[in-house]
Amino acid sequence: EAQVTQNPRYLITVTGKKLTVTCSQNMNHEYMSWYRQDPGLGLRQIYYSMNVEATDKGDVPEGYKVSRKEKRNFPLILESPSPNQTSLYFCASSPRDRAYEQYFGPGTRLTVT
Amino acid sequence: GNSVTQMEGPVTLSEEAFLTINCTYTATGYPSLFWYVQYPGEGLQLLLKATKADDKGSNKGFEATYRKETTSFHLEKGSVQVSDSAVYFCALRRLGGGADGLTFGKGTHLIIQP
Repeated sequence: EAQVTQNPRYLITVTGKKLTVTCSQNMNHEYMSWYRQDPGLGLRQIYYSMNVEATDKGDVPEGYKVSRKEKRNFPLILESPSPNQTSLYFCASSPRDRAYEQYFGPGTRLTVT
Repeated sequence: GNSVTQMEGPVTLSEEAFLTINCTYTATGYPSLFWYVQYPGEGLQLLLKATKADDKGSNKGFEATYRKETTSFHLEKGSVQVSDSAVYFCALRRLGGGADGLTFGKGTHLIIQP
C-alpha cells in the first residue's frame, strides 16, 4: 500500500530535550515536505526537499532541522524544543512531475511543556 | 505575496443540503488551484484541482471552477452526506520556488448533520 508513515504519532516532551520525528514514504517520490498545522493558521511549510541531499527552508523553519540522506526518509529534528513548537506536524511527499499532488502522513501531535 | 482566503467555519448543514465553501486567492500570475480534504484523525488528501482559468475540477460529487476575473475557486456540492464532514483546505501552487510548494488557506470545518 502506497503511504507516508510518521513516528511517533503522539509525543509529550519538555523544553530543551532534543527530539526527532521520522517520516518515510514508499512511493519513490522525489519531493518531501514538513508542515505544521495550528488553529486559525492552517498549514505552514517548515522545510522541503527536492531530492537526496537537497533541502531548503519553507515559511517557518526557525527551530527545526531536516536531513535527506535517503530518498524515502525525511526526519524532522527539534534540537531544543520550546512550547511554541507545540503543534500538529505533517510530512508529505509528491512526485516531481506532479509536485502539487501531495500525499500526507497521518500527523504527529507534539506537546512541549 | 501569495495568499488564500477561505470562509470561516464551522459550516453546519443538514444531509442533502447544497454546499458552497468560498475561496479567493492573491497571487502573481495564474497559479494552479486545489482543494484538499482532511477527515478526522487523518492527513490531507487531494480532492480536486484546476490548472488554468475556466477549468472545472471535480471529484466525489464536488466541483470547483477557476475564476480568473474574481480570483476565486469556490467548492460546491449538490447534496452533502454525513460522510462529507471534514476540514476543507483551498490551496494554490506557488510559482517559481518552494519546490512547487503549496500555500494553504486556514481551512473550513464542515459538519453535516443527519
